[in-house]
Amino acid sequence: GESVGLHLPTLSVQEGDNSIINCAYSNSASDYFIWYKQESGKGPQFIIDIRSNMDKRQGQRVTVLLNKTVKHLSLQIAATQPGDSAVYFCAENYDGATNKLIFGTGTLLAVQP
Amino acid sequence: DTEVTQTPKHLVMGMTNKKSLKCEQHMGHRAMYWYKQKAKKPPELMFVYSYEKLSINESVPSRFSPECPNSSLLNLHLHALQPEDSALYLCASSQDRSYGYTFGSGTRLTVV
Repeated sequence: GESVGLHLPTLSVQEGDNSIINCAYSNSASDYFIWYKQESGKGPQFIIDIRSNMDKRQGQRVTVLLNKTVKHLSLQIAATQPGDSAVYFCAENYDGATNKLIFGTGTLLAVQP
Repeated sequence: DTEVTQTPKHLVMGMTNKKSLKCEQHMGHRAMYWYKQKAKKPPELMFVYSYEKLSINESVPSRFSPECPNSSLLNLHLHALQPEDSALYLCASSQDRSYGYTFGSGTRLTVV
């Protein structure tokens, strides 16, 4: 399940299940979005991106969905593996006119074996 | 080369010290960035350089001073920091504003 509290929001899933991580972005003028994975002690690692003229994009085991009407992004991970355990951040190119990439609050994905 | 390299990996400095963080990329990216990340928080944008010119300063205190000597290098000069400045400092680069944002592994800074 998902929990929000004093700590980072956490999503716990069983190995092999599909995971869905959600993100609300802030600016309707944002035109480019990225999902990053960050493991402990490392920098953010690019997973997948999507431009505002699309509503879905698929990669290897991952799918990003964009709903501009409600300013919502989701990341779907198929057949979640223990190696997927990390913090996931969405990021938006804030106003579409400058190099201003702003991150959402993040979700900790915990994969149970 | 598809990496952003940051040095040092770890840095401990006193509040009266002067130190510098370094970042290097050889992907031909023309935009470079500094972010600050506290534990369990998202990276926060500090500075953006575009074509070697400072284009965004997110109201960062003057004890942090960025420098872009050329299109491949980005420095962050630190002076008279406070303990609350302890954080992971991330460098990133991008091909343009909507493509190819790549992050380094960061410098873990501790101010004592």
